[in-house]
Amino acid sequence: TQLLEQSPQFLSIQEGENLTVYCNSSSVFSSLQWYRQEPGEGPVLLVTVVTGGEVKKLKRLTFQFGDARKDSSLHITAAQPGDTGLYLCAGDFQGAQKLVFGQGTRLTINP
Amino acid sequence: SAVISQKPSRDICQRGTSLTIQCQVDSQVTMMFWYRQQPGQSLTLIATANQGSEATYESGFVIDKFPISRPNLTFSTLTVSNMSPEDSSIYLCSVLTGGLGYTFGSGTRLTVV
Repeated sequence: TQLLEQSPQFLSIQEGENLTVYCNSSSVFSSLQWYRQEPGEGPVLLVTVVTGGEVKKLKRLTFQFGDARKDSSLHITAAQPGDTGLYLCAGDFQGAQKLVFGQGTRLTINP
Repeated sequence: SAVISQKPSRDICQRGTSLTIQCQVDSQVTMMFWYRQQPGQSLTLIATANQGSEATYESGFVIDKFPISRPNLTFSTLTVSNMSPEDSSIYLCSVLTGGLGYTFGSGTRLTVV
C-alpha cells in the first residue's frame, strides 16, 4: 500500500511569515501533485511535478520534487490571508493510474 | 481543463435510504474517479469508473454499498446505498485532465440522520 505522509497537518501563522509543507513516501512517484481546497469546493490543482529535483514556482509558492521522486515540499513566501485553505499532496504511483492523497495541511494565515 | 458539474451539492438523508450523485463532464474522458472525504480529512479513492465495464473498487469499498454507473464517456453516477450516519462525508468525482493533473467536481456534502 502506497502511503503519503504530509506534515504539518495544521499550521497557523501570521501574515508575512514563510512556511513549508512536506510530503514524504517510501515509494517512488511517477508524478506528484499539489492541490488547494477551499470550503464547499473540490480540490484545485496547483502544480504537477514529474522530474526528480524539479522546482516549480507559482508566484509566492515554490514546489520541489525530491531527487529520488519520493518526497516533495511546498514553500510559501510572505503568506497572505488569501493563502488560507487545505493543501493536499497527491501521488500518482507508477502503473496505478490513480491518486493517493496525503492527510492534508490545514493552513490559516492570520492578518 | 475539463469542467465537471456535480449534483446535488448537498443533501440530508434518512438512514436506510439511498442517494445517487451525478457527475457530468464537458468532454469525453476514459476514466472517472469517485472519492470520499470524511469530515476534516483527506480524500480516499472509492472506485475508478470506465465506460463499458464494471467499476474497479478500492479496498474497503464494495459494489453493493457504492454502485456506480458509467453509461457514456461524459457521465457517471455514484449511489450511496442503505445509508448510515457513518456515510456522512463529501463525495467527489474527478477526471484526469490531459495527463497533467486531475480536475474535481465541487463535491456533494452528504449528511445522514
